[in-house]
Amino acid sequence: NAGVMQNPRHLVRRRGQEARLRCSPMKGHSHVYWYRQLPEEGLKFMVYLQKENIIDESGMPKERFSAEFPKEGPSILRIQQVVRGDSAAYFCASSPDQLTGNGTDTQYFGPGTRLTVL
Amino acid sequence: GQQLNQSPQSMFIQEGEDVSMNCTSSSIFNTWLWYKQDPGEGPVLLIALYKAGELTSNGRLTAQFGITRKDSFLNISASIPSDVGIYFCARRNAGGTSYGKLTFGQGTILTVHP
Repeated sequence: NAGVMQNPRHLVRRRGQEARLRCSPMKGHSHVYWYRQLPEEGLKFMVYLQKENIIDESGMPKERFSAEFPKEGPSILRIQQVVRGDSAAYFCASSPDQLTGNGTDTQYFGPGTRLTVL
Repeated sequence: GQQLNQSPQSMFIQEGEDVSMNCTSSSIFNTWLWYKQDPGEGPVLLIALYKAGELTSNGRLTAQFGITRKDSFLNISASIPSDVGIYFCARRNAGGTSYGKLTFGQGTILTVHP
């Protein structure tokens, strides 16, 4: 089984441009989570989505950031009008289920997209 | 917000030595997770703990869920060079719509000298 896939692995944007980060969850997984990691820090939760629904976006900035997980296709994290402070590694994780507590809700992480804003 | 305090921040050890790192929280929760992150990669789950007092092993790794449900430790025995990386503890929210959200510690950077 292929793991969580993210692309691109590296993305360079100039200030003011848009960044689109894609995440394809593991086969059979319907839950997607996005995290951001600044250099030498832990991952910080941004948003949790199920197919066509945003469940929790409490960690995502209110402006310029949006996320979607359509019925067909990958989840997209979109950052409009990027600024230098958006430079970070963005990780996507997926899980097959939740609220079971028996391991099936384990989150599996992708390799990340490293965004650099010039 | 609910913070996780992970220590030590970094460790430099000789190959063959044992390693111990721990995480504490100001609040009680139901799940402790330990991840390892290699450079340029995403975190990989090492051990998941679901019950207070639970002691779980995965090869040379052993982790325990503290009785108070506010702490956990991870031990690595007989370290080898490929143990190098950043180790993170994480906890999962207990309920509500934010159930799936993971909160991570600051990480422990492990360096193993051959």
